[in-house]
Amino acid sequence: GQQVMQIPQYQHVQEGEDFTTYCNSSTTLSNIQWYKQRPGGHPVFLIQLVKSGEVKKQKRLTFQFGEAKKNSSLHITATQTTDVGTYFCAGPLGGNNRKLIWGLGTSLAVNP
Amino acid sequence: SQTIHQWPATLVQPVGSPLSLECTVEGTSNPNLYWYRQAAGRGLQLLFYSVGIGQISSEVPQNLSASRPQDRQFILSSKKLLLSDSGFYLCAWTPSRWGYTFGSGTRLTVV
Repeated sequence: GQQVMQIPQYQHVQEGEDFTTYCNSSTTLSNIQWYKQRPGGHPVFLIQLVKSGEVKKQKRLTFQFGEAKKNSSLHITATQTTDVGTYFCAGPLGGNNRKLIWGLGTSLAVNP
Repeated sequence: SQTIHQWPATLVQPVGSPLSLECTVEGTSNPNLYWYRQAAGRGLQLLFYSVGIGQISSEVPQNLSASRPQDRQFILSSKKLLLSDSGFYLCAWTPSRWGYTFGSGTRLTVV
């Protein structure tokens, strides 16, 4: 069945270092969404990418959608302690935008 | 602006007891509504979704049920809780094309 894989599962960085998480789908996605979940909190929508090769930036966060629309990445430049949390990617299940298939997330820890 | 309310925040229930979690959305009409469960340290599992009043799609056979008695109200229920029902339950809504907005969640511990 359709799968979305995220790597790495965990990442520890020193504050100020960069961080990247990768998301790979077994099928072509019409769009991909990224969410952040702080420890003890709920997932918060960050961004949606739709176009092949699309790159979007939000301050220190850079999101990319692969040319084949099967992979995506989130890169954080110069991490801060406020970046701590789990980052999830998600894409429509079977082309149905009403349902998403989720990666298992990448948990980021930042040492001050 | 749109807001989503979910309660209670935490719940400890004995095995075999009933469950009712409620979620309401304000500031929008005819939202798509979702119930997710997240086990500790794990990803999100879609349990139910609804595109309108009385319309429920079940994604995983289980001990739970959902109902949508009003346009902006979504209820998750169980007649008899199991230990395996413990988890973090999240309600979410979405307009047709954009990302999900999640409620603050209910941490359920079945003892």
